[in-house]
Amino acid sequence: EAQVTQNPRYLITVTGKKLTVTCSQNMNHEYMSWYRQDPGLGLRQIYYSMNVEVTDKGDVPEGYKVSRKEKRNFPLILESPSPNQTSLYFCASSRSGANVLTFGAGSRLTVL
Amino acid sequence: RKEVEQDPGPFNVPEGATVAFNCTYSNSASQSFFWYRQDCRKEPKLLMSVYSSGNEDGRFTAQLNRASQYISLLIRDSKLSDSATYLCVVRPPNTGGFKTIFGAGTRLFVKA
Repeated sequence: EAQVTQNPRYLITVTGKKLTVTCSQNMNHEYMSWYRQDPGLGLRQIYYSMNVEVTDKGDVPEGYKVSRKEKRNFPLILESPSPNQTSLYFCASSRSGANVLTFGAGSRLTVL
Repeated sequence: RKEVEQDPGPFNVPEGATVAFNCTYSNSASQSFFWYRQDCRKEPKLLMSVYSSGNEDGRFTAQLNRASQYISLLIRDSKLSDSATYLCVVRPPNTGGFKTIFGAGTRLFVKA
C-alpha cells in the first residue's frame, strides 16, 4: 500500500530533550515536506526537500532541522524542543514539486 | 493580511443542501490551487485541483477567479459524510513550485 509513515504518532517530552520524528514514504517520491498545524493557523511549512541531499526552509524553520540522505526518509529533528513547538506535525510527499501531496497520519507532540 | 484566507465557519447545512466556500489569496501571481479535505484529527487528503477554466468532480465544483483572487468550492447534494474541514492550498510564485500555503480551513457540518 502506497503510504507515508510517521513515527512516533504521539509524544510527550520536556524542554531541551532532543527528539526526532521519522517520516518514510514507499512511493519513490522525489519531494517531501514537513508541516505543523496549530489551531486557527492552518498548516505551515517547516522544511521541504526536492530530492536526496537537497533541502530548503519553509515558512517556520526556526528550531527544526532536517536531512534527506535517502529518497524514502525525511526525518524532522528538534535539537532543543521548547513549549512553542507543541503542535501536530505532518509529513507529506509527492512525485515532484508541491503538487498532489500524500500526507502521513500526523505526529502529535507536546513539549512540557 | 494573510496570504490565504478562508471563512472558518462552521457551516451547518442539512443533507441535500448546496454549500459554497470561498478562499482568497493575496499574491496575484500565485500559480496552482487545490482543495484538500481534513477529517477530525486525521491527515489532509486531496479533494481536487483547481483549474483556470473551472472543474467538476461529481458533486464538487471548483472555480478560480484570478481577477478577484479567490477560488471557490461548491458542494451539491450534501451528504453526512461531507462533514469535514476543507483546506484551500495555494502555490506561491517564485518558489520553484516547492512551497505551499494552506488556509486555516472551513469547517462543514452536514446534519440529517
